[in-house]
Amino acid sequence: EAEVAQSPRYKITEKSQAVAFWCDPISGHATLYWYRQILGQGPELLVQFQDESVVDDSQLPKDRFSAERLKGVDSTLKIQPAELGDSAMYLCASSFSGGETDTQYFGPGTRLTVL
Amino acid sequence: AQSVAQPEDQVNVAEGNPLTVKCTYSVSGNPYLFWYVQYPNRGLQFLLKYITGDNLVKGSYGFEAEFNKSQTSFHLKKPSALVSDSALYFCAVRSSNDYKLSFGAGTTVTVRA
Repeated sequence: EAEVAQSPRYKITEKSQAVAFWCDPISGHATLYWYRQILGQGPELLVQFQDESVVDDSQLPKDRFSAERLKGVDSTLKIQPAELGDSAMYLCASSFSGGETDTQYFGPGTRLTVL
Repeated sequence: AQSVAQPEDQVNVAEGNPLTVKCTYSVSGNPYLFWYVQYPNRGLQFLLKYITGDNLVKGSYGFEAEFNKSQTSFHLKKPSALVSDSALYFCAVRSSNDYKLSFGAGTTVTVRA
């Protein structure tokens, strides 16, 4: 069964350092999502790509976060500089077309701890 | 704005007993409802979804959910719970007017042997 791949699974960094997360969606999925999940809460969308284009980044803190999906396949989410409040689980998901009835499939996530 | 409420932070049941996890939603337009399960330090796993048609939806691992339009609810059910069903469960909604997937805060299910 195809799965969404993410790496690393865990990342510990110090405040003000740069971190990067990688995601490889299910093959053939045009839509890719990055979510942030704070402990005890549901995931919140940070950015959505349709192929290589950003569809929605309204909740992405653009002063420190950036995301790219250059060839419309895998994607990288970067934080620079990291702050204590960025400690969370970062989840990547993909879906076939991005339609409102499409199922999103999630990767295992990257647990970020900022010290 | 659309939203999802999961009124119970925790649900505790004995193995073999029925399990119900509650979810209510608020949207404008037609609702599309999803249930996911999350095990510790793992991503979300898709269980089932309601798009249209039969109000009773069957999904993975013996779970089912009933869509009730008049009560704006989409409760998750399992007739006989297993210890391995212990996890965090999320209800989520999209609509014909808002493509974003909005999640509830989650319900922790504990099934005791």
